[in-house]
Amino acid sequence: DTGVSQNPRHKITKRGQNVTFRCDPISEHNRLYWYRQTLGQGPEFLTYFQNEAQLEKSRLLSDRFSAERPKGSFSTLEIQRTEQGDSAMYLCASSSRALKEETQYFGPGTRLLVL
Amino acid sequence: AQKVTQAQTEISVVEKEDVTLDCVYETRDTTYYLFWYKQPPSGELVFLIRRNSFDEQNEISGRYSWNFQKSTSSFNFTITASQVVDSAVYFCALRGDTGRRALTFGSGTRLQVQP
Repeated sequence: DTGVSQNPRHKITKRGQNVTFRCDPISEHNRLYWYRQTLGQGPEFLTYFQNEAQLEKSRLLSDRFSAERPKGSFSTLEIQRTEQGDSAMYLCASSSRALKEETQYFGPGTRLLVL
Repeated sequence: AQKVTQAQTEISVVEKEDVTLDCVYETRDTTYYLFWYKQPPSGELVFLIRRNSFDEQNEISGRYSWNFQKSTSSFNFTITASQVVDSAVYFCALRGDTGRRALTFGSGTRLQVQP
């Protein structure tokens, strides 16, 4: 049983460029979450999918951010026109709806640095 | 609104000492779930425990134990006979039961165990 995987693990980009991250959840999990974590802080929720439907979005998810989960399996998070304030760790998690008391399991994260 | 407070920013102990990490939460939900995660230097959040609001039994797992007290809205985590491998940032998190799936995290406590 493989865990949540994320690619790339690290990304350095210049301000104004677009970046895309990928998350592959645990295979039997139908719920997928994106969080952002800045240095010295706890993760902050960005968005959540159940299968392919995006059911919840945080106010942190500005117009420059878009997330998709087209076939209800892997998900992508795109940031357009990156800004230095976007520098953070982007964490993906997945869970199974089968359990009401579900636990979110996290991937290793993608660390983004915007120069 | 939900809130999790981890007042201890950083704790340093010597190996074999016992250490308690504090977590205080706020929620208006009558049913909710509390979690502890460990984040080692590699960055991946590792799930440790989940506790339901209607189950106030304390739990022990090896050197780890958790004390849930609804009366004081606290969910504290104790490591007995700490080891160097316990060095990490520990996060307490909360999720309500009103349809929102997002976890609300505290700011974390960095634990350093010196040999």
